[in-house]
Order: sequence, then C-alpha cells, then structure tokens
Amino acid sequence: DTAVSQTPKYLVTQMGNDKSIKCEQNLGHDTMYWYKQDSKKFLKIMFSYNNKELIINETVPNRFSPKSPDKAHLNLHINSLELGDSAVYFCASSQVVLAGDQETQYFGPGTRLLVL
Amino acid sequence: RKEVEQDPGPFNVPEGATVAFNCTYSNSASQSFFWYRQDCRKEPKLLMSVYSSGNEDGRFTAQLNRASQYISLLIRDSKLSDSATYLCVVLSDRGSTLGRLYFGRGTQLTVWP
Repeated sequence: DTAVSQTPKYLVTQMGNDKSIKCEQNLGHDTMYWYKQDSKKFLKIMFSYNNKELIINETVPNRFSPKSPDKAHLNLHINSLELGDSAVYFCASSQVVLAGDQETQYFGPGTRLLVL
Repeated sequence: RKEVEQDPGPFNVPEGATVAFNCTYSNSASQSFFWYRQDCRKEPKLLMSVYSSGNEDGRFTAQLNRASQYISLLIRDSKLSDSATYLCVVLSDRGSTLGRLYFGRGTQLTVWP
C-alpha cells in the first residue's frame, strides 16, 4: 500500500542515452510533481501537473519531458543524458490547492540516476 | 538570492540536548510554511506545518515571524532517532493558481549517545 511509488530505484546509464522514470500515486491526489535533488542536497521543483495538465515548468532543459497519462501517473523522460543530470529525482503528489492553502506533499522514494 | 536560506550545519548534539534551526525566506507574500525531515538516502517527509501563532508537536516547536521573514524549529530532549536533515519549506504562488514549494538546502542534525 505504497502511497507514491517510483521505478526504477536506481538507474545507471551512459551519456547520450534516453531513459524514463515512472511514478504512480494511489492517494487520489490531483497534483503530481517532479523534483531534482543534486549532489549538494538542494531539492528543486522541475514540473507540476494538475489533473494531467502541466501547471509548473521550471527552467529545465527541453531534454526533460514529463508525461501524465492520467492523474495517478506522472512519468519523466530524459533524452540525451548528460553527466550533470546525475541526481536523485523525486516524484511527489498532493491534493490540489489554491495558492494560500496549506498543503502536504507526499514524496516517492526517489530514483538515483548516475550518468557515466 | 535563494528563496529559502538555511544554515546547513552540521549540528552535532548529545542525546537530551535542545537544538534550534533557523531559516529565512525572501518572498514576503509567501503563504504557508513547513518543516520537512529527510533521513539519509530517503525521501522528504512532512514534520510539521508552521502557523503564525507558533505551534508545538511533542518535543518540536515551530515559530514564524512574518515581519522578519524568519522561521525556526526547536527540538527539545533530542533523541538518536532525530538524526536527519531538516528542510525548511515555503509555499508561494508566484502568480499562478497552484502554489509551489520552495525548499531550503536543509540543516543536518546528528544526535550522539
């Protein structure tokens, strides 16, 4: 009964490859997110989807493309992987909120990506 | 300037000690404030929300000073299990209909026996 799950947990790949990370939540939440946590442990939002619609798109290279087939899933596809993409990628979900509301985000266990 | 600034530590304290973490945020229009906890190689988890009047949850006390744009977390009677990284988190909307969370880099705490 995992709330937010991600696959794979670890991903080691060569520079230039294309890879995908999958995320699923069974909390019935409307909003899902992708975060990147770099080697300095700084956690930064990349994308947010609300009911399959892209809401937040931070300054992220267009090699990163999120896809939300339904509101319980948010996948992240990365083209032409670079060394600097090595990081931990966290998926999260929350109930939809308007700005100003309290909100709790539930995080997946993370995907540790290493690009060689 | 980062949205949320925290002292990264590390803080190394003995069991039973009281320890305080501080955090400042840059957007005066920020609406909501939180402390998350992240254990080593794990995902962040909500520790507690921070309310304007200050709030307490067992050994944990959070304070908010909107005028100074300052948030604090006090941990009393530290336990070994409190060892983790504590993330200061701020919700801002930046003009969109959906708020977004901004995370500080976290303050690392180690409690030793």
